[in-house]
Amino acid sequence: KNQVEQSPQSLIILEGKNCTLQCNYTVSPFSNLRWYKQDTGRGPVSLTIMTFSENTKSNGRYTATLDADTKQSSLHITASQLSDSASYICVVSATGNYQLIWGAGTKLIIKP
Amino acid sequence: EPEVTQTPSHQVTQMGQEVILRCVPISNHLYFYWYRQILGQKVEFLVSFYNNEISEKSEIFDDQFSVERPDGSNFTLKIRSTKLEDSAMYFCASRGQEASYEQYFGPGTRLTVT
Repeated sequence: KNQVEQSPQSLIILEGKNCTLQCNYTVSPFSNLRWYKQDTGRGPVSLTIMTFSENTKSNGRYTATLDADTKQSSLHITASQLSDSASYICVVSATGNYQLIWGAGTKLIIKP
Repeated sequence: EPEVTQTPSHQVTQMGQEVILRCVPISNHLYFYWYRQILGQKVEFLVSFYNNEISEKSEIFDDQFSVERPDGSNFTLKIRSTKLEDSAMYFCASRGQEASYEQYFGPGTRLTVT
């Protein structure tokens, strides 16, 4: 069964600190993996999209990694800011199927 | 920057009533989607739409639901005879060319069924 699992479920860190969020998936055949940021009550906003051949991609202070062999991805946030408080969702797409398989998200809280 | 818009932002309806949620995708996009997110739960795919027809739908998207692109700009989700469990945020998304994976999401419509 195609699934996406994320950890931790929630995370609290101090402003200015770094953090890493994890994603494991069992989607096959793999097409691409995305990380979205979702503020409470808002639509998801794309941070990165990675295909099979990409193992790292950055977007400002966000860096995503992908290991297609172990089917794992991580999202690293550097020098966190209060505005980074949100849910971060890992989403995987299978080849030939544009339906996205969503993780449950990691709720990140940045404290001053 | 172009964006997906959705109306209304919040809809309250009584159980058994019909609701229509409206979306205006980004103007040159070709693929359209509806998702829902029950409070505290994962985002769930409902349906994808391309070339004026449904291309994929999930198990959730049963006969109670329908989608339409009535003109060149709007994309609607109709829910007939709403149930309490239909209460959720409904997100519309659109995508451009086939080679692009990127989906752009609207701000959502919060549907409350009482």
